[in-house]
Amino acid sequence: DSGVTQTPKHLITATGQRVTLRCSPRSGDLSVYWYQQSLDQGLQFLIQYYNGEERAKGNILERFSAQQFPDLHSELNLSSLELGDSALYFCASSATGGINQPQHFGDGTRLSIL
Amino acid sequence: AQTVTQSQPEMSVQEAETVTLSCTYDTSENNYYLFWYKQPPSRQMILVIRQEAYKQQNATENRFSVNFQKAAKSFSLKISDSQLGDTAMYFCAFMKPYSGNTPLVFGKGTRLSVIA
Repeated sequence: DSGVTQTPKHLITATGQRVTLRCSPRSGDLSVYWYQQSLDQGLQFLIQYYNGEERAKGNILERFSAQQFPDLHSELNLSSLELGDSALYFCASSATGGINQPQHFGDGTRLSIL
Repeated sequence: AQTVTQSQPEMSVQEAETVTLSCTYDTSENNYYLFWYKQPPSRQMILVIRQEAYKQQNATENRFSVNFQKAAKSFSLKISDSQLGDTAMYFCAFMKPYSGNTPLVFGKGTRLSVIA
């Protein structure tokens, strides 16, 4: 058990809809990362938050947004969903930084767009 | 931008044998971190081993060890005494060492099958 909790585990929805994925980091971890794993693109970094503020942005679409709340949990919002958004979405968390503070991953949310 | 390349999409190994997974990367950074993550069929991402670029000594974790060649930008993973539970996707990952931590850049992965 990594200590990172993601909900829901599975999500099935239709094109054009909006969904919210939730992540609770390990206790004490200030950084939260979101990654997308798809068959054709592999594991890609989407966005990072550190102590409530956006720290880094990767290949995140404009239809996607995220935030980190005061209690450090994070939500990833996906809107106007397309078939190509079907993927496994991972949240990871880490403490302050460095080799001794690696990223620990949640079990992921499997998003299926019909 | 950093890139990570895993040139072996699939590999197989007999139980109890040794297998080496390859990883190369491209960066202009001098200090950085490298990782191997394992993703079993349960789809969890599990940290296997990590290496700091400024350390010449290769990291080891039980049956897992790395061969880190900084000049060649190579970071291979050796699994000794392979077990059925080692069957998984293995991802090589790169990270720049800035405070507050930075995102991981992953390779495409190598699917390893351990055969009884």
